[in-house]
Amino acid sequence: QVQLVESGGGVVQPGRSLRLSCAASGFTFSSYAMHWVRQAPGKGLEWVAVISYDGSNKYYADSVKGRFTISRDNSKNTLYLQMNSLRAEDTAVYYCARDHPGYYDSSGYYYVPHAFDIWGQGTMVTVSS
Amino acid sequence: DIQMTQSPSSLSASVGDRVTITCQASQDISNYLNWYQQKPGKAPKLLIYDASNLETGVPSRFSGSGSGTDFTFTISSLQPEDIATYYCQQYDNLPQRYTFGQGTKLEIK
Repeated sequence: QVQLVESGGGVVQPGRSLRLSCAASGFTFSSYAMHWVRQAPGKGLEWVAVISYDGSNKYYADSVKGRFTISRDNSKNTLYLQMNSLRAEDTAVYYCARDHPGYYDSSGYYYVPHAFDIWGQGTMVTVSS
Repeated sequence: DIQMTQSPSSLSASVGDRVTITCQASQDISNYLNWYQQKPGKAPKLLIYDASNLETGVPSRFSGSGSGTDFTFTISSLQPEDIATYYCQQYDNLPQRYTFGQGTKLEIK
């Protein structure tokens, strides 16, 4: 079945680094853009970053730009998030999510909803001294 | 940046009630508006995409409408399993970014 499994979370001191992984299965990983979305304890959802299907385009939220790097290895069906210079406010559950594959309407036009249709279970990152 | 205002922040309703949540964008976002359900301790689940399209496998009591700046999410007859927090989400392509509403926590009365 279609599945995303995150790993790599843990407790890290402020200023240190951590790399998250997201293993994909059950679909053609190399055909989909992928995202990272996070959720601080008791708070709402915050989009973090997106990478195109081939890794050629990457975009980031302002809150992580210059500190986080999204990447992927399509040969390993794995998405990554390299997090440097971590801050207390980066403490959150980090989810990887698949970009919606799009759909055709009744007239045959193709649309891309820019939605997240498959989510992993999340991995917790705690930044604390 | 486009701001999303979701209301109410919390809502209490009875089983069988019709429930409505709204999301307002600070500028025209066409129909680039999606709705998610998140149950405690679980990942979010996509319910509605492009404002009004029901994701495969989602019960038909869920629906969405709107375009431009004003959007509505409706549960036609609330069921006990619908207790969750609901989020709207929009997409902006200049630059490419995604923004969630603040969430609506739905409880049973």
